[in-house]
Amino acid sequence: DTEVTQTPKHLVMGMTNKKSLKCEQHMGHRAMYWYKQKAKKPPELMFVYSYEKLSINESVPSRFSPECPNSSLLNLHLHALQPEDSALYLCASSQDRRLAGRLRELFFGEGSRLTVL
Amino acid sequence: AQSVTQLDSHVSVSEGTPVLLRCNYSSSYSPSLFWYVQHPNKGLQLLLKYTSAATLVKGINGFEAEFKKSETSFHLTKPSAHMSDAAEYFCVVRNEYGNKLVFGAGTILRVKS
Repeated sequence: DTEVTQTPKHLVMGMTNKKSLKCEQHMGHRAMYWYKQKAKKPPELMFVYSYEKLSINESVPSRFSPECPNSSLLNLHLHALQPEDSALYLCASSQDRRLAGRLRELFFGEGSRLTVL
Repeated sequence: AQSVTQLDSHVSVSEGTPVLLRCNYSSSYSPSLFWYVQHPNKGLQLLLKYTSAATLVKGINGFEAEFKKSETSFHLTKPSAHMSDAAEYFCVVRNEYGNKLVFGAGTILRVKS
């Protein structure tokens, strides 16, 4: 069973809607990640938070807005999305590299499948 | 820059026969390598990882991988395939700055009964 929980599992939204994806972990990890995965492709990194601060933004459009309210929670706010944004959005966490020296393995949630109409 | 190449996009085996999923890496120094598995409509699960402690790495569900520096390979094997092994497998390397994972394109494993 995954220890990274993502909600909702499925989301359908129109291009004018505002919605949010949520992610929670209770493993004491201090780094959290959002990935986007299109069908038959590997995951693509979107954002990395380390100690609740945004450390990496992979030039993601501003219609995606991440938020890390505390060390256990990670949100992805969605607004004015396009149909091409339809994908599986994966959250992951890891022990922060400052503790371990280098990035360790990531633990992934089961994803939120987003469909934009 | 670090990179991985998964040599087969699809592999098909019969149940009970060995599995071999091939991965070559490119790295300017001793890499950290991972294999992840993704079942349909699921997240990614770590199978095993290589971090220079031992060249033969054992993972979950009977999988193992051998790090071969001379061949720059990190192939994933399993002696006997099970129907539940049907999934997509990703070979992954940590980047040179140590702050990101670089994914291969993936190999879809089909297991025939």
